[in-house]
Amino acid sequence: EAGVTQSPTHLIKTRGQQATLRCSPISGHTSVYWYQQALGLGLQFLLWYDEGEERNRGNFPPRFSGRQFPNYSSELNVNALELEDSALYLCASSLEGVSGNTIYFGEGSWLTVV
Amino acid sequence: AQTVTQSQPEMSVQEAETVTLSCTYDTSESDYYLFWYKQPPSRQMILVIRQEAYKQQNATENRFSVNFQKAAKSFSLKISDSQLGDAAMYFCACGGTSYGKLTFGQGTILTVHP
Repeated sequence: EAGVTQSPTHLIKTRGQQATLRCSPISGHTSVYWYQQALGLGLQFLLWYDEGEERNRGNFPPRFSGRQFPNYSSELNVNALELEDSALYLCASSLEGVSGNTIYFGEGSWLTVV
Repeated sequence: AQTVTQSQPEMSVQEAETVTLSCTYDTSESDYYLFWYKQPPSRQMILVIRQEAYKQQNATENRFSVNFQKAAKSFSLKISDSQLGDAAMYFCACGGTSYGKLTFGQGTILTVHP
């Protein structure tokens, strides 16, 4: 069974541009989570999607947005990129919201803003 | 709100020895779950062990076990017979039903010496 898959693996963008990251959850999982891991820091919660709806959002500016498609895959968009957006972006999925269900992570997408 | 604190930025252990990683948490949830994840240099987040807060029995997975002290809000991870492949960053995390996400600690870097 395929795990959580993310693309692209690496992405280099210029300050002010937009970045789009993609995530496919484990088959059967309806919840998708996005986390940011900046160098030397822990994981910061960005967004939670379930059944196509945004359920919760972390303390990030509105230029971080996303969506979940009918097939439960998800997209994270970062507009007006800033240098400090350079980080590893991790996507995770679970059967539903965390209650009782373990979340499984993908391998991440490295975003570098120059 | 939830907070997770890992007070040991770095730990080291000799191969075949035992090491304990500390974690304390705080949550307003009555129903919650606790997790330890491992992040090797590849940056893939790998689930090590999970604990349901309503269970008094400590979770065990092969060489990994936890000491869950609910009243003290403590959730430590014990690694027995440490192996070189255990070297990684270890994250403690807490998840509940209301927030639909996991809150992570800052991580502990574990070094295993041959």
